Amino acid sequence: NAGVTQTPKFQVLKTGQSMTLQCAQDMNHEYMSWYRQDPGMGLRLIHYSVGAGITDQGEVPNGYNVSRSTTEDFPLRLLSAAPSQTSVYFCASRVPSSYEQYFGPGTRLTVT
Amino acid sequence: AQTVTQSQPEMSVQEAETVTLSCTYDTSESDYYLFWYKQPPSRQMILVIRQEAYKQQNATENRFSVNFQKAAKSFSLKISDSQLGDAAMYFCAYRNQGGSEKLVFGKGTKLTVNP
Repeated sequence: NAGVTQTPKFQVLKTGQSMTLQCAQDMNHEYMSWYRQDPGMGLRLIHYSVGAGITDQGEVPNGYNVSRSTTEDFPLRLLSAAPSQTSVYFCASRVPSSYEQYFGPGTRLTVT
Repeated sequence: AQTVTQSQPEMSVQEAETVTLSCTYDTSESDYYLFWYKQPPSRQMILVIRQEAYKQQNATENRFSVNFQKAAKSFSLKISDSQLGDAAMYFCAYRNQGGSEKLVFGKGTKLTVNP
C-alpha cells in the first residue's frame, strides 16, 4: 500500500491564481480530511468527507473548495490564491471504526 | 469549542533520560479521544499514542506512556530512555468520539535530544 499520497510536494503560486492539491489513498478509507499547518500552530481542519459525494466544512474553510467523487481521491481547490494561504497542507484518512488517522507527507504552498 | 494547550514551546532532554511533555485541554464532552503526534523534520505526522477518555488505565506504547487525568483535563506524554530519533515536534490532539471529524491540535512542543 502507498498509504496517503499528496501531489505536488512543493508549489509556488502568484496571488489570484487557482490550483488543485491532489490527495489519494489506497486503503479504502471512507473518511478523508484536509488540514493546514501554519508556523507555530498545530494543524487546523479545512474540509472533510465521510464518503463519496459527502463533504463538510471544518474550522477554516474559506477560500477552499472540495469534492469527493470517488473513495480514493479528495482534491483541495484554491479558487483565488492569497498570501494568507501560504502554509503546509496535509491530507488524512481513516476508517470510521478506527481512531487512527493516516496522514500524507504534506504539500508546502507559497503564495506571493 | 474544544481547545488544546501545550504550555512548553520547547523542551530538551539528555539521551537515555526521561522527559515529560504537558498538554491540557478544555471540553464539555465526556466521550473523546486524545492523541500525541510526532512530527520529525520530514514533516510526516506520526501517531505516537492515543487514549480513550472512558478508559481509566493510562496508555503505554513501548517507551511512550501518558498520564491521563480526566478531571483535571490533563494529558501528558512521558518519553523514557530518550533516543536521538525522538527529536521532533510533538503535538497533542483531541477529537470527540462521535459527530465531527475535527481533530483539535495544540501548538506543539519542540523536543531536542542531546547526545
